[in-house]
Amino acid sequence: EAGVTQFPSHSVIEKGQTVTLRCDPISGHDNLYWYRRVMGKEIKFLLHFVKESKQDESGMPNNRFLAERTGGTYSTLKVQPAELEDSGVYFCASSPFTSSTGINEQFFGPGTRLTVL
Amino acid sequence: AQKVTQAQTEISVVEKEDVTLDCVYETRDTTYYLFWYKQPPSGELVFLIRRNSFDEQNEISGRYSWNFQKSTSSFNFTITASQVVDSAVYFCALSEAPHLSSSNTGKLIFGQGTTLQVKP
Repeated sequence: EAGVTQFPSHSVIEKGQTVTLRCDPISGHDNLYWYRRVMGKEIKFLLHFVKESKQDESGMPNNRFLAERTGGTYSTLKVQPAELEDSGVYFCASSPFTSSTGINEQFFGPGTRLTVL
Repeated sequence: AQKVTQAQTEISVVEKEDVTLDCVYETRDTTYYLFWYKQPPSGELVFLIRRNSFDEQNEISGRYSWNFQKSTSSFNFTITASQVVDSAVYFCALSEAPHLSSSNTGKLIFGQGTTLQVKP
């Protein structure tokens, strides 16, 4: 079974440009999460999809970030326009449906390292 | 508010030594989940363990063991007889239980991570 995949693995862009990150979750996983780790700090939650619906986007830094999950399969995270402070590693994770009796572990992708110059 | 603290930024040990990674958490929830993830040099986060707040039994898996103590809000991770392949960044994380809040998303609150270097 394929794990969570992310594309690209690295992206170097200039301030003001647009970048789109892609995440393909494990097949059949309803939950999809985006996280970000900035320069040695903790990994922070950005948002959560349940299928195609945004369940929680409380961690999105500002309106320069737009996430979509059309059809409830893969997800994209667009940063437009990118700023220097957006540099970091963006992780995607997926997990099966969350029941009322427990939480499943999240399976993470390898991350996309974004550098904004 | 929920918070996870990993006070040890970096630890360096020599192979075969035992090492304990500390994790202290804060939460107002009575039901919650704790996790440990490993991030090897290749970059992906690898799930190691999940523990719910009602299960305080310590767990052992090979050379890995976890000590969960609700009284001190700690969930420490010990590697016995460390090996070079254990070198990685280790993250402790917390998540609230799904039935407590309709807005719960299962999102993980991570600590800052502890970089473990095991030297041959």
